[in-house]
Parts: sequence; structure tokens; C-alpha cells
Amino acid sequence: AQRVTQPEKLLSVFKGAPVELKCNYSYSGSPELFWYVQYSRQRLQLLLRHISRESIKGFTADLNKGETSFHLKKPFAQEEDSAMYYCALSAQAGTALIFGKGTTLSVSS
Amino acid sequence: GEEVAQTPKHLVRGEGQKAKLYCAPIKGHSYVFWYQQVLKNEFKFLISFQNENVFDETGMPKERFSAKCLPNSPCSLEIQATKLEDSAVYFCASSLSSGANVLTFGAGSRLTVL
Repeated sequence: AQRVTQPEKLLSVFKGAPVELKCNYSYSGSPELFWYVQYSRQRLQLLLRHISRESIKGFTADLNKGETSFHLKKPFAQEEDSAMYYCALSAQAGTALIFGKGTTLSVSS
Repeated sequence: GEEVAQTPKHLVRGEGQKAKLYCAPIKGHSYVFWYQQVLKNEFKFLISFQNENVFDETGMPKERFSAKCLPNSPCSLEIQATKLEDSAVYFCASSLSSGANVLTFGAGSRLTVL
């Protein structure tokens, strides 16, 4: 069965500290992995996807098929990064995304 | 439009009453998805449509829940005889027909069953 696991419910860091939000998945095929973010009082929105191999707002994520992981990283956290982050998996285009339970990132000064 | 529009923002129902939620996907998007989020927990997939056809309904409860996407009308999610455990935020999302499976989400409809 397809599953996405985000082991941390809450991650609190100080401004300027590195951040790593963990995501592990289980899927027998070749998945497409995403990170979605929900800022306070805003809609859930796409942050980045592995297929693009891009950096958005300083965040990067690398798909590690050996470890079945797609951890989200940022070298220096900012207060505006405080939000709820969801890792998601898609089996193929048109199919539903499977979400992890989310990690709340809190960045304080 | 360029946003997924969901109405109402908040709906309050007594146990046993009917609840109906609406979603207008982005113009040109062929896929519509409904998710249920209970207590800011994970997103539970309910059902998806490809245009007006049900694409995947594996997450849809067998009883009381139904959904439609008719041409030239918003999509709808209806719950007959609501129960307390139906209290949740219901999110709608849409995506293009092909290419990367990027979903654009609506703001959600909060259903409170008293």
C-alpha cells in the first residue's frame, strides 16, 4: 500500500538555523513526490516537486529511492517559513495525492 | 477563474441533517479531487472526477456520501444524515489533464455537525 510518513509533528528552530523536515514513503513503483505548504490563513499550495529539481524560497528536496525518502531542507530558516508542511506522493498523473500527516515548522527569533 | 472556489466557507448542521458543499475548479482543469481533513490531521482522499465522470472513488464512504461534477455547474459533495464524525474541513482541488500531477487547492469548507 502507498504511504507517506512524516515522523515529526512539530519542529521548532531559531531563525538562521538549518531545517530538515523528514518524509519517507512506501510505494513499489516510481512515485512522484511533492511538498505542499500551508501558511497561516492561506490555502494549501505547492512548494516544490522532485521532478523539477528546483529550489523554492531556499528549500530543496532530493528524492532518495534507496532510502525511500524525500526530506525537505533549508540551510537558514526564516520566520516567514513558519507553516504546516505536507509531503505527498502521486502514483501517476490524474491520481489522487497521498499526504503525510504534516509537520508544523515554527521559526522564532 | 484562476482559483478553486469552494462554498460555503462554514456550514453548521445538526446530526441527521443533510450537508452539501460546492466546488468550482479552475477553468481548463479536467480533474477534481475531494479530500477530508479532520482536526488538522492528514488529508483523507474521498473521490476524484475526470470531467463529469467518476475517476476514483476508493476513499468515498459507502453510505451517506455522494458527489457529482455536472457540465456547466460547480461540483458538489453531499452528505445525507450527517454524523458528528463528519465534522471536518473538506478540500477540493483541481488539476490539468496531463503532465505533472500538480493539484491546486481551494480554501476548504468547514462542516460542523452538532
